[in-house]
Amino acid sequence: GQQVQQSPASLVLQEGENAELQCNFSTSLNSMQWFYQRPGGSLVSLFYNPSGTKHSGRLTSTTVIKERRSSLHISSSQTTDSGTYLCALDPNTNTGKLTFGDGTVLTVKP
Amino acid sequence: NSKVIQTPRYLVKGQGQKAKMRCIPEKGHPVVFWYQQNKNNEFKFLINFQNQEVLQQIDMTEKRFSAECPSNSPCSLEIQSSEAGDSALYLCASSLGQGGETLYFGSGTRLTVL
Repeated sequence: GQQVQQSPASLVLQEGENAELQCNFSTSLNSMQWFYQRPGGSLVSLFYNPSGTKHSGRLTSTTVIKERRSSLHISSSQTTDSGTYLCALDPNTNTGKLTFGDGTVLTVKP
Repeated sequence: NSKVIQTPRYLVKGQGQKAKMRCIPEKGHPVVFWYQQNKNNEFKFLINFQNQEVLQQIDMTEKRFSAECPSNSPCSLEIQSSEAGDSALYLCASSLGQGGETLYFGSGTRLTVL
């Protein structure tokens, strides 16, 4: 089965609403990263978060290893947050090689 | 954010033609990765390097692709004979180390094979 599963597959919000994106994994974990992919394709690193909680502006990432999940919380969403959010993990192979989830496509309407 | 530079942004080739793309990793990053993202948005690891040495590569890369990361020159990924199924976004990433390090991605090269 798929090692990394993201949910929901897509999400539509009104501007100002909050979003909770989930990433569940079935393998052991060496590292976890969250990325934002712009419609044009470039990947922006949001968090490197192998465990615990990290904050960056309106974004919060929480990884709970024993529950094999990581989440990305977006507060007070803006139209410019629209795009695809990807989680990716390095499954403890110490190679740095990432396994990506299928992504969550977020649309924020004005 | 990321200072990984990929060129060209877009590449159009006919079947059987060579397709070459380049990547300049972030300064000081010895590890470079190439990924392919297909039209279904699925990521496939292709190859990675530490300095000039290949660390890992998949079978497809070994057979039809050539890649290198020479010192003091951009890294490159070349498809020797393009196929329609090679149409994808090719993403280069660099990091400080092999494991437990953040990967920083470039903007990608979007290859279309006609």
